[in-house]
Amino acid sequence: DAKTTQPNSMESNEEEPVHLPCNHSTISGTDYIHWYRQLPSQGPEYVIHGLTSNVNNRMASLAIAEDRKSSTLILHRATLRDAAVYYCILRDPSGAGSYQLTFGKGTKLSVIP
Amino acid sequence: EPEVTQTPSHQVTQMGQEVILRCVPISNHLYFYWYRQILGQKVEFLVSFYNNEISEKSEIFDDQFSVERPDGSNFTLKIRSTKLEDSAMYFCASSEQDTDTQYFGPGTRLTVL
Repeated sequence: DAKTTQPNSMESNEEEPVHLPCNHSTISGTDYIHWYRQLPSQGPEYVIHGLTSNVNNRMASLAIAEDRKSSTLILHRATLRDAAVYYCILRDPSGAGSYQLTFGKGTKLSVIP
Repeated sequence: EPEVTQTPSHQVTQMGQEVILRCVPISNHLYFYWYRQILGQKVEFLVSFYNNEISEKSEIFDDQFSVERPDGSNFTLKIRSTKLEDSAMYFCASSEQDTDTQYFGPGTRLTVL
């Protein structure tokens, strides 16, 4: 599986934008970039995913580098509820092991009031 | 909004006992998954299930584990003879298609004494 690298932790002030980076230098052409998050004492929750183009949804934006070797999850205005561990996951829908999500350690985001 | 539910929220058992963890996936979903998370560690994939068959399983999912969809709504994970190291949060997830977003339940905390 292609691997992702994320910072262990980040801090943000409430109502400020947050940019969560993810490096995936060995990404293959068929890997989608998925982001999930896990709020304290809860199960993981889907945030957003993309292949090549930047993506926006009601929760966040995903900016994907032109060479696809990195991506950034953008929370436009962090709230206290956004304090969670954020996971960047590569997923090849055509390959073996496509059913599973492979979670790393993720980035623990703290939001300061 | 439809959600995945899991029962019980916390299960305490003695080593060597059998436990059954229950999940009700989202009703129109066809693919079902179990993951586990040992305290302080990563979320790990256990098994995926489709059309009444296991479609993929990890090395963790050995002969002590089994899954079943006993009726049209429940999806269960059975651990035949629990060990201390089975203590973890167990998350059920479901998706409409195999490559779609996975929706996770709140988890069952299993404590093996």
